[in-house]
Amino acid sequence: DAGVIQSPRHEVTEMGQEVTLRCKPISGHNSLFWYRQTMMRGLELLIYFNNNVPIDDSGMPEDRFSAKMPNASFSTLKIQPSEPRDSAVYFCASSLGGAQPQHFGDGTRLSIL
Amino acid sequence: DAKTTQPNSMESNEEEPVHLPCNHSTISGTDYIHWYRQLPSQGPEYVIHGLTSNVNNRMASLAIAEDRKSSTLILHRATLRDAAVYYCIPTEWAAGNKLTFGGGTRVLVKP
Repeated sequence: DAGVIQSPRHEVTEMGQEVTLRCKPISGHNSLFWYRQTMMRGLELLIYFNNNVPIDDSGMPEDRFSAKMPNASFSTLKIQPSEPRDSAVYFCASSLGGAQPQHFGDGTRLSIL
Repeated sequence: DAKTTQPNSMESNEEEPVHLPCNHSTISGTDYIHWYRQLPSQGPEYVIHGLTSNVNNRMASLAIAEDRKSSTLILHRATLRDAAVYYCIPTEWAAGNKLTFGGGTRVLVKP
């Protein structure tokens, strides 16, 4: 079975550009999570969806960040405009909800120059 | 969120057991105890979870104290592939199973 698929794996772009990260959750999973990992702050939850509806976006750093889940098989995390401090590894995870384990993708390593 | 305390790092020899402690004294009665690990350059990986009883799976065992204020993840025979950061995470399932990662324990396995 395919796991959580994230794209791109690596992204290098200049400050001020729009960045879009993509995630395909495991089929049948109804919860989707976006995390960010940096050396300074570790792994942080940004936002999560249940049945395509955003439930908690309190971890989203500021208005430059937005996330959407137009259907059960696709989600995007957008940063506009990007800044060097957004450089991090961004992970997407999905689960069946409740106490069920989350399955993580391989992450997108984002570098903003 | 319940706060957790884990040692920063632990070392083990290959094929020996590893016991990873976690204190979560502020855990609520409905919080599950999840353990995840993160291998170098990979996303976190689920290891095991439990509520009150001890749990076993193919990866590890989870021993939960009777008062639930602490737990221990047991890797029965460490391999080089088990070198990773291990995170203990109390999780309120009713809150959507959000994971709040702390610093974790970095496990080093020596051949």
